[in-house]
Amino acid sequence: DTGVSQDPRHKITKRGQNVTFRCDPISEHNRLYWYRQTLGQGPEFLTYFQNEAQLEKSRLLSDRFSAERPKGSFSTLEIQRTEQGDSAMYLCASSPDSLAGGRAQYFGPGTRLLVL
Amino acid sequence: AQSVTQLGSHVSVSEGALVLLRCNYSSSVPPYLFWYVQYPNQGLQLLLKYTSAATLVKGINGFEAEFKKSETSFHLTKPSAHMSDAAEYFCAVRSNSGNTPLVFGKGTRLSVIA
Repeated sequence: DTGVSQDPRHKITKRGQNVTFRCDPISEHNRLYWYRQTLGQGPEFLTYFQNEAQLEKSRLLSDRFSAERPKGSFSTLEIQRTEQGDSAMYLCASSPDSLAGGRAQYFGPGTRLLVL
Repeated sequence: AQSVTQLGSHVSVSEGALVLLRCNYSSSVPPYLFWYVQYPNQGLQLLLKYTSAATLVKGINGFEAEFKKSETSFHLTKPSAHMSDAAEYFCAVRSNSGNTPLVFGKGTRLSVIA
């Protein structure tokens, strides 16, 4: 049973560049979530998918951010025209549809973004 | 709307001592509650969850938490701290419909002193 994987683990970019992160959820999980975590804070919700449908987006997700999950499997999160304020850890999580386990979310190792 | 308050951003205990990390929640609907642990430069690992079954929940690594509705609390405990328990701990809440995202507290950093 493989867990959630994320790629890359670290990304350094210059302000104004575009970056894309990938998340591969646990294979039998239909739900996929993206969170952002800044230093000293808990994760903050960005968006989530049920299969390929993006069902909810946070106000944190500005129009420079876009997420996709085209075939209901892996997901990508793209940030266009990066700003220094985008520097953070981007976490992906997945959960099953069943409520039996409270739809507990299982997290990947995260992608740490640094915008110079 | 849900929210979580974790009392104490940093807790320090001696090895072998009781660990108590506090979490209070606010929810307008019956909640599901979770504790996660995060080691440096890693993602979050699920420690335990409350999903309206038993109020005393046992998790991994010897941790447990008790749901107290009257106190709106879900404190995390471990009888005897180990050096490997040093990490950041997050409490999180969501509605029991499971259709809302997790709302996290700001975290408590646990230090274990030899």
